[in-house]
Amino acid sequence: DTGVSQDPRHKITKRGQNVTFRCDPISEHNRLYWYRQTLGQGPEFLTYFQNEAQLEKSRLLSDRFSAERPKGSFSTLEIQRTEQGDSAMYLCASSFRQPMNTEAFFGQGTRLTVV
Amino acid sequence: QQQVKQSPQSLIVQKGGISIINCAYENTAFDYFPWYQQFPGKGPALLIAIRPDVSEKKEGRFTISFNKSAKQFSLHIMDSQPGDSATYFCAANNNQAGTALIFGKGTTLSVSS
Repeated sequence: DTGVSQDPRHKITKRGQNVTFRCDPISEHNRLYWYRQTLGQGPEFLTYFQNEAQLEKSRLLSDRFSAERPKGSFSTLEIQRTEQGDSAMYLCASSFRQPMNTEAFFGQGTRLTVV
Repeated sequence: QQQVKQSPQSLIVQKGGISIINCAYENTAFDYFPWYQQFPGKGPALLIAIRPDVSEKKEGRFTISFNKSAKQFSLHIMDSQPGDSATYFCAANNNQAGTALIFGKGTTLSVSS
């Protein structure tokens, strides 16, 4: 296992278009997190899953954002009707909870630019 | 409400010097305090972490000092090297409850040779 994998690494889209990002966590990890990071800021929590259940969503996750983890393995994050303010690095992380959380490993992120 | 406040925003240290980054938290339910290191174009990577039952943890050149009563913790990098030049983030969460990590805004460290 090579760690958390995110695809694509970079995405340039026109304002108003929809985009979808994929995250493949470390295989045995049951927790999966999405964060957003803008330049000069720390990662901001968006949402997380335990297995296929979405347990928490941040206020940052507007109704244009939706995340899924249909089989408790990979996850997708979709942004509809993108806006320039959505330009950021979208980070995925995974960990194992049994019963406490283990270390969270991050992927390299998907950098979104909305033009 | 920013739950984890980090300072300084940037830091320049000479090679061989000590780098010190500070964080303060507000939520007394937090019970896990990691530091992450991030290089440009990469995701954050865990450097070292501490739980509140100890006041200090050391791993190689990296030490976390934790002050529960003051709700503060700090990262000390001894014998700083140019390869340590990166952005460092403190974070915290209620690990027992399984909440997500809350990150500070980051400190950009430059170690001059």
